[in-house]
Amino acid sequence: VLLTQSPATLSLSPGERATLSCRASQSVRSLLAWYQQKPGQAPRLLIYDASYRAPGIPTRISGSGSGTDFTLTISSLEPEDFAVYYCQQRYDWPGTFGQGTRLEIK
Amino acid sequence: EVQLLESGGGLIQPGGSLTVSCAASGFSFNTFAMSWVRQAPGKGLEWVSTITDSGDNTFYADSVKGQFSISRDNSKNILYLQMNSLRAEDTAIYYCAKDGRTSGTDGFDVWGQGTMVTVSS
Repeated sequence: VLLTQSPATLSLSPGERATLSCRASQSVRSLLAWYQQKPGQAPRLLIYDASYRAPGIPTRISGSGSGTDFTLTISSLEPEDFAVYYCQQRYDWPGTFGQGTRLEIK
Repeated sequence: EVQLLESGGGLIQPGGSLTVSCAASGFSFNTFAMSWVRQAPGKGLEWVSTITDSGDNTFYADSVKGQFSISRDNSKNILYLQMNSLRAEDTAIYYCAKDGRTSGTDGFDVWGQGTMVTVSS
């Protein structure tokens, strides 16, 4: 399963809404996870099963979608949200990653 | 506290071998599958290998199949990745990660801090 994330880079200001996309080359049902990675840090699980927040993840971060099209939404960007985001399909376990979307401060 | 701590990275010459380790604590290690994920400098995440909870089944990315070997010691709570015939393109940070699927969190829910492997002469 090939995952394509878009856009490659997203430039927004704090307080704005961010919408990140992940498209799968075939249906992965709802078996998709999202991760956040900040510079010099390990990735952190944000969302699993397409829409379930991992423990400790703020409610401004949400996931949606099923089949081949998925979206990660951050409703109102905080300074700590600027990072790189990866999707991972879990249908073909253990799963492969998309190439990432860099969310940068405008 | 749930924790993963990698070790064993370093500088290795092309063609050499290296084994990296990951010590787990704070959870029932023998009930979760474990994985290695790598990240080349300035690049994205690449899944490398996974081993099931019992160690009976292993999975590899095509890019490392026949070259890397994953194993685990459930009596010591340690995960290993043996890397042979190393090439420059294997240069990366190697992360170990816990697979939360069996506890209902279907993703890599715990990550180590990573260990850097540099393949260069």
